[in-house]
Amino acid sequence: SQTIHQWPATLVQPVGSPLSLECTVEGTSNPNLYWYRQAAGRGLQLLFYSVGIGQISSEVPQNLSASRPQDRQFILSSKKLLLSDSGFYLCAWGQGDEQYFGPGTRLTVT
Amino acid sequence: GENVEQHPSTLSVQEGDSAVIKCTYSDSASNYFPWYKQELGKRPQLIIDIRSNVGEKKDQRIAVTLNKTAKHFSLHITETQPEDSAVYFCAASINQAGTALIFGKGTTLSVSS
Repeated sequence: SQTIHQWPATLVQPVGSPLSLECTVEGTSNPNLYWYRQAAGRGLQLLFYSVGIGQISSEVPQNLSASRPQDRQFILSSKKLLLSDSGFYLCAWGQGDEQYFGPGTRLTVT
Repeated sequence: GENVEQHPSTLSVQEGDSAVIKCTYSDSASNYFPWYKQELGKRPQLIIDIRSNVGEKKDQRIAVTLNKTAKHFSLHITETQPEDSAVYFCAASINQAGTALIFGKGTTLSVSS
């Protein structure tokens, strides 16, 4: 069966510091991969999605970027974090219509 | 682009009552409509979905209906239980490569015993 991993689970970072969040999927090949952000008490905002290695689509312009160096690996990065980047970051995978979320990374920017 | 509106934002019911959450979407090309349940501090879990070639789908106590003409879809939970308390999100596909989803803002359902 398929499993999706995210790490770290929680992260506290100062404003202006860099960010790297990692997501990996097991048990499937060539999945579609997604990054979402959920601000406290808010809905899910699609940030990036990828249909293949090196193929990244951005939904919202911001100081974040994404990369897919391997088939089942998706990385979310920032060179300089802002206070507004705080939130719950969720990676998801899918094949076809359905999407399944990872456990998430709770990021607090101080 | 696609826009999904969800209401109500909060819903309180007594155990055993029914709960209904409604969503509307804007893109007539959308063809996939999932519902997710998110418990506090946890990841959203897919609980039921419906595709545009189907009008209704049931799974035990939950059901989803779709009206393509009106561009709205609804989640129905019958015989609610305290463990149904959570935030529920509707979503619609924007029908691009990768089937990216656009989510509603969520409904906080509270079931009191």
